Amino acid sequence: DAGVTQSPTHLIKTRGQQVTLRCSPKSGHDTVSWYQQALGQGPQFIFQYYEEEERQRGNFPDRFSGHQFPNYSSELNVNALLLGDSALYLCASSSGGLAGVGAKNIQYFGAGTRLSVL
Amino acid sequence: SQKIEQNSEALNIQEGKTATLTCNYTNYSPAYLQWYRQDPGRGPVFLLLIRENEKEKRKERLKVTFDTTLKQSLFHITASQPADSATYLCALRRYGNKLVFGAGTILRVKS
Repeated sequence: DAGVTQSPTHLIKTRGQQVTLRCSPKSGHDTVSWYQQALGQGPQFIFQYYEEEERQRGNFPDRFSGHQFPNYSSELNVNALLLGDSALYLCASSSGGLAGVGAKNIQYFGAGTRLSVL
Repeated sequence: SQKIEQNSEALNIQEGKTATLTCNYTNYSPAYLQWYRQDPGRGPVFLLLIRENEKEKRKERLKVTFDTTLKQSLFHITASQPADSATYLCALRRYGNKLVFGAGTILRVKS
């Protein structure tokens, strides 16, 4: 049973460019959440996708957008990259969207994509 | 605004001792509190979850306590081993899936 998989592992971009990160959720999961983790900090919630729609959003600008596909996989897009966007981007999967609020609705994380903006 | 505080300094302990990590929060009423382990360059790995109406939870060498009056959780690793060395993250969740994380505490277990 594959866990959460993310690609690519590492990425180097320059300021102003655009980037797309990809995530495949754990088998049986239909909800994908994205987090940004700066060095030495805890992950910060970007947004969550369920049933191909953005359901919750954290305090991130519109440069951050996403998409979820019918097979539940997801993409995170960041436009007009800034130096401050350099971070580890984590994808987490769970089930049931916002309705899946029970204790068993644990989020499982992928290994992340390390983005460096030069 | 919501604030979660974990031991800002690394915790260094000797192998075989009990490690105790602290998570304090303000301006929040979590329904669930979760602990994750994170190794360098890797994603967080889920360890334990405790509900707001539970006082204590155990799993093998791990124990979590949750005091909603003090707004504090303690995470214990008994008989610690060098392999337990990692960053430990506290995360809170009210409803929905959004997790709010602390900055984490680095644990170093020396043999």
